[in-house]
Amino acid sequence: GESVGLHLPTLSVQEGDNSIINCAYSNSASDYFIWYKQESGKGPQFIIDIRSNMDKRQGQRVTVLLNKTVKHLSLQIAATQPGDSAVYFCAENLDYGGATNKLIFGTGTLLAVQP
Amino acid sequence: KAGVTQTPRYLIKTRGQQVTLSCSPISGHRSVSWYQQTPGQGLQFLFEYFSETQRNKGNFPGRFSGRQFSNSRSEMNVSTLELGDSALYLCASSLRDAEQFFGPGTRLTVL
Repeated sequence: GESVGLHLPTLSVQEGDNSIINCAYSNSASDYFIWYKQESGKGPQFIIDIRSNMDKRQGQRVTVLLNKTVKHLSLQIAATQPGDSAVYFCAENLDYGGATNKLIFGTGTLLAVQP
Repeated sequence: KAGVTQTPRYLIKTRGQQVTLSCSPISGHRSVSWYQQTPGQGLQFLFEYFSETQRNKGNFPGRFSGRQFSNSRSEMNVSTLELGDSALYLCASSLRDAEQFFGPGTRLTVL
């Protein structure tokens, strides 16, 4: 497969702190990136996306940063809440606006928010 | 607006059997993609359908197949089940070239 199964990294933060989740993507030709949140027993939920012609995009309490030079993506969550506890995945699309919606997912990061 | 629905939610099969999973996309969405999620391999793309045509296919054996109907509903089939096919199968729908919305998945267990 295209994603390699590895031990799921865990980020543990205190409620109210800011969280930063990092992701290294695989293909320099990817032009669309998405962050998903997956809670136990549920499917991935869209959080925020960014096109390759942007470096930063902000949503409600979340910011995504894209560094194409080093193929790195990060998700910043402000004032982290217990409800933010979940597994977070980054995903890349090689051909956004083209002939496929195929996404390649990262291995995921478990965010554990301590009250 | 109703989200993506998948049926059944849970399924138990034995090796050698076949299984069919169903996905109903969000109303108006014509693209449906399928993913397999396992602890060892993570989320992997199976295939994508748009307007009843397969647009892309992942690196899975021919035992995995799918189709899409004129109402955009999609099914995927796995024949000759193996233990390693135990996974959460996720369906995602989208308008063409837009964010994908995932369903809750079908948990398949192969004994």
